[in-house]
Amino acid sequence: DTAVSQTPKYLVTQMGNDKSIKCEQNLGHDTMYWYKQDSKKFLKIMFSYNNKELIINETVPNRFSPKSPDKAHLNLHINSLELGDSAVYFCASSQDRTSGYYNEQFFGPGTRLTVL
Amino acid sequence: AQSVTQLGSHVSVSEGALVLLRCNYSSSVPPYLFWYVQYPNQGLQLLLKYTSAATLVKGINGFEAEFKKSETSFHLTKPSAHMSDAAEYFCAVSDLNDKLIFGTGTRLQVFP
Repeated sequence: DTAVSQTPKYLVTQMGNDKSIKCEQNLGHDTMYWYKQDSKKFLKIMFSYNNKELIINETVPNRFSPKSPDKAHLNLHINSLELGDSAVYFCASSQDRTSGYYNEQFFGPGTRLTVL
Repeated sequence: AQSVTQLGSHVSVSEGALVLLRCNYSSSVPPYLFWYVQYPNQGLQLLLKYTSAATLVKGINGFEAEFKKSETSFHLTKPSAHMSDAAEYFCAVSDLNDKLIFGTGTRLQVFP
C-alpha cells in the first residue's frame, strides 16, 4: 500500500500553461507539505497544510496555489508555467506535533515537471 | 534561523570501507535532526532521526549517526559500504514550525 502518492510522475508542458499535481496520503496524518527539488538536488519547502489550513507559505510566486480539499489530499496548481519551474516536486506528510509525535515526514515518489 | 551544512557534495568509497558523511547544524533551540536517502529517480526515505533521546541513533540499512552538541554535528556513518548504498544523502533539521530544512546533499559513490 502506497503511503504518500503523487500523480503524475512525469509532466512535460509548454511555457505559459497551467498544470496541477495531485498528492494523497493514507497514513491518517494531519499535516502535508510540498517541496521543490531543483536541478542541483537542493530541496526546499514551499507550503504546508495542517488539517486543511495553510501553515507555511515560503516565498513562492503567486502562480503556485496549493489546495487541500481534505486532510488526506494536498494538490498543487501552477499557473503560467515558466522555464524555471522545471524541477522535481515532492509531497510529504507527517503527524501533527501537538499530538505528541515528532514530525517524521513521509515523502511521495516525486513529480518531475519539465517546462519547455 | 536553523540550517544544516553538509561538507562534501561527493564522497567515494570502496565496497567494504567505512562511510562517513558529515553534517553540521545551526539551531537556537534543541534540534530535531534527520538523515534522508534518495535513490536515483526516487523519493526520500528516512534513514534515522534524532529527537533528543539517545545521542547515538541507529537507522536502517546499518547506518547510524551521533549527535554531538559540543561540535554541533550529526555525522552519518556505516562501518562497511555496500554497492546498494550508492545514493544521495540529505541531512535535515526541523524548526519550530515543523518544516524540514535540508542540506545541499552528499552523493555517495561506492566502487567495487
